[in-house]
Amino acid sequence: DAGVTQSPTHLIKTRGQQVTLRCSPKSGHDTVSWYQQALGQGPQFIFQYYEEEERQRGNFPDRFSGHQFPNYSSELNVNALLLGDSALYLCASSWDRGERYNEQFFGPGTRLTVL
Amino acid sequence: AQSVTQLGSHVSVSEGALVLLRCNYSSSVPPYLFWYVQYPNQGLQLLLKYTSAATLVKGINGFEAEFKKSETSFHLTKPSAHMSDAAEYFCAVTLGSGNTGKLIFGQGTTLQVKP
Repeated sequence: DAGVTQSPTHLIKTRGQQVTLRCSPKSGHDTVSWYQQALGQGPQFIFQYYEEEERQRGNFPDRFSGHQFPNYSSELNVNALLLGDSALYLCASSWDRGERYNEQFFGPGTRLTVL
Repeated sequence: AQSVTQLGSHVSVSEGALVLLRCNYSSSVPPYLFWYVQYPNQGLQLLLKYTSAATLVKGINGFEAEFKKSETSFHLTKPSAHMSDAAEYFCAVTLGSGNTGKLIFGQGTTLQVKP
């Protein structure tokens, strides 16, 4: 059973460009969350997608947007890249069973460098 | 609002010594608490979780943590450190009922194990 996969592994962009990161959830999972982990920091919640809708959003500007497809995979888009967007972007998937807590499984991340 | 504070950004122990990584949380409702480990260039792996059952939680690789409500703490311990334990450790908290599963992470603690 494949776990959470993310692509690409590494990415280098220049300021002002746009980037798309991709995530395939663990088999059987229907919920995808995205986190940004700056160097030396803990991950910060960007947003979560469930049933192809953004269900919750963290404190990130509108330059960060996402999408979830019918097969539950997800994309994270960042427009007008800033140097400060350089980070490891982590995707986590879970299965929403309607319980109080649904364990999240993390992918290996995409390392984005903005020059 | 929930928050997590990890005391000590770097902890160094000798191989075979006790490992103690400190985590204090703030939450207005009974929290769910987690410890994750991150090896270089990898995603996050769940070590253990507290979900309001037993206050002493045992995890993988010999780690355990004790939930102390009176001290708002969830410290991670391991009786005897191995070289393979060297990694970044993150404490995280999430809300209970009605929660989407958004995780709030601490800043992380780097564990160094000396031979």
